[in-house]
Amino acid sequence: GQQLNQSPQSMFIQEGEDVSMNCTSSSIFNTWLWYKQDPGEGPVLLIALYKAGELTSNGRLTAQFGITRKDSFLNISASIPSDVGIYFCAGHLLGGGADGLTFGKGTHLIIQP
Amino acid sequence: SQTIHQWPATLVQPVGSPLSLECTVEGTSNPNLYWYRQAAGRGLQLLFYSVGIGQISSEVPQNLSASRPQDRQFILSSKKLLLSDSGFYLCAWGQGQNTIYFGEGSWLTVV
Repeated sequence: GQQLNQSPQSMFIQEGEDVSMNCTSSSIFNTWLWYKQDPGEGPVLLIALYKAGELTSNGRLTAQFGITRKDSFLNISASIPSDVGIYFCAGHLLGGGADGLTFGKGTHLIIQP
Repeated sequence: SQTIHQWPATLVQPVGSPLSLECTVEGTSNPNLYWYRQAAGRGLQLLFYSVGIGQISSEVPQNLSASRPQDRQFILSSKKLLLSDSGFYLCAWGQGQNTIYFGEGSWLTVV
């Protein structure tokens, strides 16, 4: 099936630093989504992007839908301890059906106080 | 607003025993419903999805089955669990705009 390449796999940063992660694919997507998952819980939707070039913010989080429709990035500014978790990108393929999304393998964010 | 709830939250079952995980969605009608499995804290694998009552699509051959007896109810079952069925199971719903929302998850340990 289609794959999303999400990087980095893990990040060890200091509290207060900015964070950047991205997802790329060789396929074209018509939707990009970013989720955060805390241990033992379901992923929570952070930001949804529906148009190429779209830049959307949610508090300290900013995500963009790449102009080529094959990539997306998520930035977190001034990280705080509660940002710890696993961040997943997900995309819905152009022409895809109701069979859900293609997920990246996740970026594990670890923050050192 | 829409809500999704799945249960039980944790389950420890012996090998060969049956399984039933249930998921319900409130605040919407005719949603798409999904069951995912997650291993080791990452790697979401789509198991089943449904676009309507009684309509089930399976993504991978496995020891599990799914049913949708009502519009907003989705059930994951097994007649005989295997050790390899252990994992974190997530129900999700979606409706247009290609966005899906996850439940709280269910931890299954097969012993």
